[in-house]
Amino acid sequence: GENVEQHPSTLSVQEGDSAVIKCTYSDSASNYFPWYKQELGKGPQLIIDIRSNVGEKKDQRIAVTLNKTAKHFSLHITETQPEDSAVYFCAASRDFNKFYFGSGTKLNVKP
Amino acid sequence: EAGVVQSPRYKIIEKKQPVAFWCNPISGHNTLYWYRQNLGQGPELLIRYENEEAVDDSQLPKDRFSAERLKGVDSTLKIQPAELGDSAVYLCASSLVPGNTIYFGEGSWLTVV
Repeated sequence: GENVEQHPSTLSVQEGDSAVIKCTYSDSASNYFPWYKQELGKGPQLIIDIRSNVGEKKDQRIAVTLNKTAKHFSLHITETQPEDSAVYFCAASRDFNKFYFGSGTKLNVKP
Repeated sequence: EAGVVQSPRYKIIEKKQPVAFWCNPISGHNTLYWYRQNLGQGPELLIRYENEEAVDDSQLPKDRFSAERLKGVDSTLKIQPAELGDSAVYLCASSLVPGNTIYFGEGSWLTVV
């Protein structure tokens, strides 16, 4: 099956700085890569996703890049704000039905 | 529009006792998922339903776990008997059809003592 590794496990940045979270995957057939944000005591919420026919996608302060050759994808958050503090999970899927999640990155944005 | 609703939110039980979790997906969503999330880890799929049919239960520990989705709407996940290692958050999620965005509920937090 698919193996998704996520780094770093914790990330602390100053408000206004950028944050980057990286994931690698093992199954070259994976073609859909969503990112989820999970706040304490809540379920994961989709924040952005990318499909394998696209190399980059941006939504306001959030962007995701995908390198299919190297089998890695990254989440970029610019101009971080305290409300961005949460745990972020990457995931990979080859058929949009079964998702393999990374182990999560706890982002702390210091005011 | 109401999101995915789960209950109970929190449950503490003694080992060997049974426990059940209930999920009401977003109205009209045909696909329903149960995930388990251990502390500090990402969610792992337990079972996926398309309408009332369990189409992927390969990760469900069938000796003690069972699930049902009668009438293709609400779903129940049961553990009997519970073990200490079952302590986790049990997340229900749904999507309109396969390939659409998956929406998670807030989870049912289980502690087995």
